[in-house]
Amino acid sequence: DTGVSQNPRHKITKRGQNVTFRCDPISEHNRLYWYRQTLGQGPEFLTYFQNEAQLEKSRLLSDRFSAERPKGSFSTLEIQRTEQGDSAMYLCASTAGLGQPYEQYFGPGTRLTVT
Amino acid sequence: GENVEQHPSTLSVQEGDSAVIKCTYSDSASNYFPWYKQELGKRPQLIIDIRSNVGEKKDQRIAVTLNKTAKHFSLHITETQPEDSAVYFCAASKARGSTLGRLYFGRGTQLTVWP
Repeated sequence: DTGVSQNPRHKITKRGQNVTFRCDPISEHNRLYWYRQTLGQGPEFLTYFQNEAQLEKSRLLSDRFSAERPKGSFSTLEIQRTEQGDSAMYLCASTAGLGQPYEQYFGPGTRLTVT
Repeated sequence: GENVEQHPSTLSVQEGDSAVIKCTYSDSASNYFPWYKQELGKRPQLIIDIRSNVGEKKDQRIAVTLNKTAKHFSLHITETQPEDSAVYFCAASKARGSTLGRLYFGRGTQLTVWP
């Protein structure tokens, strides 16, 4: 499968625990985006990497959230001290190209449930 | 920032009829407008997109139109089939500055096609 992959697909955690999600973009895609989607809503932007550089973070990304993309390949999104409001689908997307918006391809998402 | 409004939120049509979903955007710098189809529990799937230098684009039964002056764009599906039933999201993006490629999504339209 050469598409965007995400792991795990589902995560159930207790409030206060830390969780980490992984995204593997399409090979050679230099831009990687994280979005969060709650029921009945469109995806909302969280953060974006161009290669290994994190270029923008949404105000949705509180200080409990951190994202990395070491070596410009896969990315991880960590949520510390999870809260029930963090329950959502976390989507990753990747795209190629520089200078203009290009097609973004989404992964299957990680569904987080905080109990 | 950009604000994307999408209407209607739900749309029911008979198989074979046409369906139209409309979106407006607020930022005149936006220049890329993709449409995604999301089936229940699955990833958003890019179905068609249009750039600001084009007024209309077609791909088989799907077409998108863009009116830059009015800042609105629409998705047209002809000869609808039950498998077209899904949630459709419009989005807008721009090439300028640090927000490169970030997608701003509408709230989605639940399309139901009755056989």
